Amino acid sequence: DTGVSQDPRHKITKRGQNVTFRCDPISEHNRLYWYRQTLGQGPEFLTYFQNEAQLEKSRLLSDRFSAERPKGSFSTLEIQRTEQGDSAMYLCASSYHQGQGDGYTFGSGTRLTVV
Amino acid sequence: AQRVTQPEKLLSVFKGAPVELKCNYSYSGSPELFWYVQYSRQRLQLLLRHISRESIKGFTADLNKGETSFHLKKPFAQEEDSAMYYCALRGNQFYFGTGTSLTVIP
Repeated sequence: DTGVSQDPRHKITKRGQNVTFRCDPISEHNRLYWYRQTLGQGPEFLTYFQNEAQLEKSRLLSDRFSAERPKGSFSTLEIQRTEQGDSAMYLCASSYHQGQGDGYTFGSGTRLTVV
Repeated sequence: AQRVTQPEKLLSVFKGAPVELKCNYSYSGSPELFWYVQYSRQRLQLLLRHISRESIKGFTADLNKGETSFHLKKPFAQEEDSAMYYCALRGNQFYFGTGTSLTVIP
């Protein structure tokens, strides 16, 4: 296990198309997070899972966005009817939630460009 | 509301000079603060956390609840410290600041 993996690294899509990203967390981590980062900004929270349960969703996550973690392992983030404003780096992170002090391990991200 | 503020977008210091990256936070509960770093073309990675009171790569950060600050400091900057630094506050999830780009001039 070499860390958090995200696929693809880059995605260029036409406006209106659907896209799906995948994240494979560190295997023993029970929490998985999705963040979005645009130029000049820090990562912004989208949603997170504890095992297979989606526990929190940001209001940034419009109804065009959906995330799943069906077996509590990998997760997918789908964006339907993409818009140019969706262009960003989508980051996945995982952690083992055991109380105070646990930080995240981030993946390399998927850079989405909507043209 | 939870918020993390990093007032400096860009910071340049000479090699060997002290460096301080500022971070202020707003949080109603007992805060957990972290610093993350992103070197060029690398993923975001955890640098240090206040709860462990550690020094990583010569960096330290002290949580000051009175001033609601968690500034990152290093007494002698090195060229390899050039990177993007993000302060983060942990609630149910992490709230990140907008980041400070540190450049260490040789």
